[in-house]
Amino acid sequence: IAGITQAPTSQILAAGRRMTLRCTQDMRHNAMYWYRQDLGLGLRLIHYSNTAGTTGKGEVPDGYSVSRANTDDFPLTLASAVPSQTSVYFCASSAPGTSEKLFFGSGTQLSVL
Amino acid sequence: DAKTTQPPSMDCAEGRAANLPCNHSTISGNEYVYWYRQIHSQGPQYIIHGLKNNETNEMASLIITEDRKSSTLILPHATLRDTAVYYCIVRPFNFGNEKLTFGTGTRLTIIP
Repeated sequence: IAGITQAPTSQILAAGRRMTLRCTQDMRHNAMYWYRQDLGLGLRLIHYSNTAGTTGKGEVPDGYSVSRANTDDFPLTLASAVPSQTSVYFCASSAPGTSEKLFFGSGTQLSVL
Repeated sequence: DAKTTQPPSMDCAEGRAANLPCNHSTISGNEYVYWYRQIHSQGPQYIIHGLKNNETNEMASLIITEDRKSSTLILPHATLRDTAVYYCIVRPFNFGNEKLTFGTGTRLTIIP
C-alpha cells in the first residue's frame, strides 16, 4: 500500500544516546516534514524539506537534525537524546497538484529515560 | 500567520450531523481553510479544504461564511469512528506546509 512508513513504531532510549527515526514514502512527494506531538501542545514542526537536497528549520529544531539525500527518505536524528525529547514523532509528505495536503505516517513513540 | 479558534471539545449523538465550528477572523485573501482529523494514536488525516466556496467530498462538507472569518465542518451522519481530534488550519496559497500551525483542535466524541 502506497504511503509513508515510519520506523521504529516505538523506542525506549537512554539519555545521551544517538537515535535515528526513519521515514520513507513511495508517493514521490517532493516535500517532507517531521512533527512532534506532546500532550496539550498539538503538533509542532521540527524540520522540513521542500525538495531533495534541501532542508529547513521548523518551530522546534534544537537537538534534531535531518537529511534529504533522495526523494523517498527523510531521517530524523537525535544526536544526544534528552528526556524532553520524549514525544510522539510524525513524518508527513505533500506534493503540488494534490492541494498540498499532508499525508502522515503512523508515528514513532519515543521515550528518553 | 492567521490563527484559528476552535472549541476544545464537543459531543454528538451517533447518526446525527456533527457541526464543528472554527473562527479565523484574521484570515487573508490568499489563505485556504484546511481541516484534518486525528484518530487516537494515529497520524492526522486530511479531510477537506476550501477558499471561499462551500465544498463537499465523501468525508464531509465545509461551509465558509461570506466574509471568510469563520467556517463549519459538517460530518452529515456521525459514526463512532468519527471520534477524533479535528484541526482547523489556515494555509497561505503561495507558501508550503512549513507555515502551517496545527493548534490543539476540537476533540469530538460521538455518543452511541
